[in-house]
Amino acid sequence: GAGVSQSPRYKVTKRGQDVALRCDPISGHVSLYWYRQALGQGPEFLTYFNYEAQQDKSGLPNDRFSAERPEGSISTLTIQRTEQRDSAMYRCASSLIQNTEAFFGQGTRLTVV
Amino acid sequence: EDQVTQSPEALRLQEGESSSLNCSYTVSGLRGLFWYRQDPGKGPEFLFTLYSAGEEKEKERLKATLTKKESFLHITAPKPEDSATYLCAVLTNAGGTSYGKLTFGQGTILTVHP
Repeated sequence: GAGVSQSPRYKVTKRGQDVALRCDPISGHVSLYWYRQALGQGPEFLTYFNYEAQQDKSGLPNDRFSAERPEGSISTLTIQRTEQRDSAMYRCASSLIQNTEAFFGQGTRLTVV
Repeated sequence: EDQVTQSPEALRLQEGESSSLNCSYTVSGLRGLFWYRQDPGKGPEFLFTLYSAGEEKEKERLKATLTKKESFLHITAPKPEDSATYLCAVLTNAGGTSYGKLTFGQGTILTVHP
């Protein structure tokens, strides 16, 4: 596609529910990042994929968070048993190859009530 | 642990008043440094990549420079449409692998008044 596409744009969920956030990277981009961004802060790293391989998940806050990219294209970030503190903007970015500039999507605003 | 600090946190300029934003870093194995612009409600928009000390990149009223410990984003004769949050990010070695980890600073909020 022309840019990184994330869906849904907005998600409101009840505490304790599971949510899945989707990222469709720029066509042909092999590297994919997930970030979380609080208001007024820079993006905080969550996890990174190169093709389908999850090469770094050191930023995932706890084991309720997981991510996959099974075919090396679309990625899903899943949060199980959501808590209010999970409320944030979740951003996905992709880059053509490793170690080059990353391009961001519009993000998914998650609100846990 | 890699650290990226941007200053000032906020900067208010009059139209035409040139200034600079700073991004200082303490990292092991810098592979590159990126500057992004972020408008309210939008995702970060890529501006520049710098890979080695001494390198400079320019685009319209913006010029980015890199030393071994910091980067500057110089804004010459800014206009109100340059108002945004400017983010820098460092690409560093992650555990000796070929993969580079991208770590962001907290950003500088720039406001340019007409």
